[in-house]
Amino acid sequence: QKEVEQNSGPLSVPEGAIASLNCTYSDRVSQSFFWYRQYSGKSPELIMSIYSNGDKEDGRFTAQLNKASQYVSLLIRDSQPSDSATYLCAVRRNRDDKIIFGKGTRLHILP
Amino acid sequence: GAGVSQSPSNKVTEKGKDVELRCDPISGHTALYWYRQSLGQGLEFLIYFQGNSAPDKSGLPSDRFSAERTGGSVSTLTIQRTQQEDSAVYLCASSLSASSTNEKLFFGSGTQLSVL
Repeated sequence: QKEVEQNSGPLSVPEGAIASLNCTYSDRVSQSFFWYRQYSGKSPELIMSIYSNGDKEDGRFTAQLNKASQYVSLLIRDSQPSDSATYLCAVRRNRDDKIIFGKGTRLHILP
Repeated sequence: GAGVSQSPSNKVTEKGKDVELRCDPISGHTALYWYRQSLGQGLEFLIYFQGNSAPDKSGLPSDRFSAERTGGSVSTLTIQRTQQEDSAVYLCASSLSASSTNEKLFFGSGTQLSVL
């Protein structure tokens, strides 16, 4: 099992709809989780971080964490064409502070 | 500096040559990470530094790869006897501290390495 798994996509969502991106991780004791957005040809940029079970909202973005299920998700409300990018899930491993990334999910927002 | 700076932005080299990639982190950031991203792939963890120390070098793909950091600032990633499979974008990121659970990574623009 990969340490951080994501569906590679592409995930196509109509403009204005909710995009739902999912991630699972294998290290049960991890406590820090991040979502990065990467536009084609650019570097990743942080959009959300979450450390506690439940939901965390920031504007149109909501991160959800379920440590019992080892599952992290990102919801994007009112999707815009500018949201089209690859979304990378990242997990900090407690035992050695490494930050491990998933392979990313490509998101396409259809105008 | 204002952001993480990497140089060169592009490097074309011949198979078998050595290359050196440089990363200058955000001022005051004690943690520095190196990742590799092949075309269409995710980020592969290579190594991280807390200060000048690299606690775990097991992510480096082979003994042709080495990294160092001096003065708690600039880091260099050296690839000896480059191979075509080394072609990728090498990304550097920094954060305030590796040991803080909520520290966030700030990435540089990367070095595109092409081995012919």
